Amino acid sequence: GENVEQHPSTLSVQEGDSAVIKCTYSDSASNYFPWYKQELGKRPQLIIDIRSNVGEKKDQRIAVTLNKTAKHFSLHITETQPEDSAVYFCAASNLVTSGTYKYIFGTGTRLKVLA
Amino acid sequence: GAVVSQHPSRVICKSGTSVKIECRSLDFQATTMFWYRQFPKKSLMLMATSNEGSKATYEQGVEKDKFLINHASLTLSTLTVTSAHPEDSSFYICSATHSGRSNTGELFFGEGSRLTVL
Repeated sequence: GENVEQHPSTLSVQEGDSAVIKCTYSDSASNYFPWYKQELGKRPQLIIDIRSNVGEKKDQRIAVTLNKTAKHFSLHITETQPEDSAVYFCAASNLVTSGTYKYIFGTGTRLKVLA
Repeated sequence: GAVVSQHPSRVICKSGTSVKIECRSLDFQATTMFWYRQFPKKSLMLMATSNEGSKATYEQGVEKDKFLINHASLTLSTLTVTSAHPEDSSFYICSATHSGRSNTGELFFGEGSRLTVL
């Protein structure tokens, strides 16, 4: 079945450094790759997403890259701040025009930014 | 906009009883809602996809008679854990897609419900 692998499971970085989280998906039909951030005790929230027709997308300190050939996509956070500490989930989905789709989530990465 | 509310946030019940969890889209219509189970320090495991007015689609390994899902309206889906046992203790979280923004792909999550079965 479909599978999304995410690495690393935990990541500690010094404030100001960069953090990179990587995901690999198995379903070649996947065309939409969102990243969700879940702070302790809160609901997951979308922070950035990318569709299969582009290779990179950036939003301020956050960027996502996609390699369709290798079925890899990565989240890059630059100039990390303590408030970036959270669990990050990647996901892969196959959006169709009818709007019906299913998400497969990665196993999550617990990011800790040390002040 | 696009707020999803889940209730209750915490529930403790005795083994053998049934528990209902509600997931409501407060300011939008959600034709599709998803139910997930999240174990401590683990990912979101999709349990089922709930479509308004039709039967839910369950993932492999999820007992549909154990986890009853009803999506009777465009703003409400319910998950009922029947004859709960301690191994059903977990964090259950729902999400919805905005029917008016179906091509954006964004999921809107509820706050989650922590079920403890004694």
